[in-house]
Amino acid sequence: DAGVIQSPRHEVTEMGQEVTLRCKPISGHNSLFWYRQTMMRGLELLIYFNNNVPIDDSGMPEDRFSAKMPNASFSTLKIQPSEPRDSAVYFCASRKQGNLGEQYFGPGTRLTVT
Amino acid sequence: AQKVTQAQTEISVVEKEDVTLDCVYETRDTTYYLFWYKQPPSGELVFLIRRNSFDEQNEISGRYSWNFQKSTSSFNFTITASQVVDSAVYFCAPYGGSSNTGKLIFGQGTTLQVKP
Repeated sequence: DAGVIQSPRHEVTEMGQEVTLRCKPISGHNSLFWYRQTMMRGLELLIYFNNNVPIDDSGMPEDRFSAKMPNASFSTLKIQPSEPRDSAVYFCASRKQGNLGEQYFGPGTRLTVT
Repeated sequence: AQKVTQAQTEISVVEKEDVTLDCVYETRDTTYYLFWYKQPPSGELVFLIRRNSFDEQNEISGRYSWNFQKSTSSFNFTITASQVVDSAVYFCAPYGGSSNTGKLIFGQGTTLQVKP
């Protein structure tokens, strides 16, 4: 079975540009999570969805960040405009209903904003 | 709210040594869950184990074992006869919230380096 798929794997962009990260969760999983990982702040939960509905977006740093989940098999995390401090690895994870914290992570997208 | 402390930032051992990674958590919930995740150099986090607060029986899986002590709020992870492939960052993570709307609370992680 395919795991969580993220694209692109690497993204280099200039400050001010719009960045869109994509995630395809594991089929049959009904929860999806977006995390950001940096050396300074560690692993932070940005937002998560349950049955395509955002449940908790308290981790989204500011209005420049937005996330959508139009259907059960696709989600996007958008940063507009991007800033150098957004440089990080962004992970998407999915979870099957009832499996509590047992999440399956994608390979991550390494974002560099210059 | 849940909170987790992994006091060991980095540990370095020589292959075949045993190593224990400490995890201390805080929670106000009477029933809760604890998790360990591994992040190898490739970057992808991998689920290792889930522990329910009402089950204090220790668990062993091959070279891995977990010691859950509710009285001291600790959930320590031991690797026996470590191998170079065990080199990774290990995260202890309490789970907060209900079964369908809760979330993992990740600590800062412990970086384990196993030298040949």
